[in-house]
Amino acid sequence: GAGVSQSPSNKVTEKGKDVELRCDPISGHTALYWYRQSLGQGLEFLIYFQGNSAPDKSGLPSDRFSAERTGGSVSTLTIQRTQQEDSAVYLCASTEPADTQYFGPGTRLTVL
Amino acid sequence: AQSVTQLGSHVSVSEGALVLLRCNYSSSVPPYLFWYVQYPNQGLQLLLKYTSAATLVKGINGFEAEFKKSETSFHLTKPSAHMSDAAEYFCAVSSGNTGKLIFGQGTTLQVKP
Repeated sequence: GAGVSQSPSNKVTEKGKDVELRCDPISGHTALYWYRQSLGQGLEFLIYFQGNSAPDKSGLPSDRFSAERTGGSVSTLTIQRTQQEDSAVYLCASTEPADTQYFGPGTRLTVL
Repeated sequence: AQSVTQLGSHVSVSEGALVLLRCNYSSSVPPYLFWYVQYPNQGLQLLLKYTSAATLVKGINGFEAEFKKSETSFHLTKPSAHMSDAAEYFCAVSSGNTGKLIFGQGTTLQVKP
């Protein structure tokens, strides 16, 4: 079946602009995670969704970062007023609770 | 708090040689442990996972890992490296009730012909 998909695959933006990153999880997976992969910080957890609620937002680095999930499916990660340090690969994963996380290919964000 | 340490950011082996990638964890509760592989410009793919059953876990592509509680280790091994094994490998521990993954810094495996 279809895996986790993310769009766009690459995004180049100017400092100060807002960006939206999209994640389509595997159908039926109730849990969804966002992670960030950067050269300096490695792989970091950002936010966890169970259904449409986000009981763990502890990894969001600042209030410029937000995420939502609608219909228990698609999730959008929004970064406002982007900064150069936001440049990274943003990975999404989905799973059934307590099961293996399946990762999407990621969105490479470059902030100029 | 849970954490993972991968010893060696780069490991180089010859084709056909033993692969050993080291991972040590810190956890106050019995951990769930994972090894993921990442090929260039791709997402993460699960190699294997430990969830408190057998301590020797076999994964895909001939990899296996042994959970050693006394050493707080979960090292990844493969008896004979193949050129296609060249990639970045991440060890991770599952944290808390949310299941979020805490990753090590990663180890890049180079396989020389």
